[in-house]
Amino acid sequence: SQQGEEDPQALSIQEGENATMNCSYKTSINNLQWYRQNSGRGLVHLILIRSNEREKHSGRLRVTLDTSKKSSSLLITASRAADTASYFCATDLYGNNRLAFGKGNQVVVIP
Amino acid sequence: GAVVSQHPSRVICKSGTSVKIECRSLDFQATTMFWYRQFPKQSLMLMATSNEGSKATYEQGVEKDKFLINHASLTLSTLTVTSAHPEDSSFYICSAVGLLQETQYFGPGTRLLVL
Repeated sequence: SQQGEEDPQALSIQEGENATMNCSYKTSINNLQWYRQNSGRGLVHLILIRSNEREKHSGRLRVTLDTSKKSSSLLITASRAADTASYFCATDLYGNNRLAFGKGNQVVVIP
Repeated sequence: GAVVSQHPSRVICKSGTSVKIECRSLDFQATTMFWYRQFPKQSLMLMATSNEGSKATYEQGVEKDKFLINHASLTLSTLTVTSAHPEDSSFYICSAVGLLQETQYFGPGTRLLVL
């Protein structure tokens, strides 16, 4: 089965810097989604990128998708302390909205 | 935006008891709801898919008799952890998606501690 997998390293950056995290998956996908989770809370949907898209923007977020490499990246520009959270990518298993989540990336933005 | 609630937010129970967790979509009709569990510092694991008016579909390795799911209406799904044991202690999160929607809206999660 496929699974989104992020690079396992945690990120600790200064406010104002950019944060980049990556995700890889193993099989074909219809779309890839990024979610954010604050400690002990539910998930917030950030952005969805379809398999025929290469790049997508939403505010300070930029997501890329390389289907040939089966990888995606999430860039947060001009980070803020409030961006401190865990970020997960998820892929749609079997095309029926059953999501497989990656391990997550803990991002700490230092004020 | 779409809002999904869960109740309770946290529960502590004795080993052997059953615990029911509710997931509600507050401002849209959820044709499908999903249940996940998450261990500390780990990712979410999909447990089951719940469709309104039909039996839930469980992922491999998830015991259907242990985790009873009912999706009685388009706004409510319940997960009952039966005869809970300490190893069932976890963070349980639901999500809901409406007809023809791609985005899942997640509830705030329920933290279960079984003593």
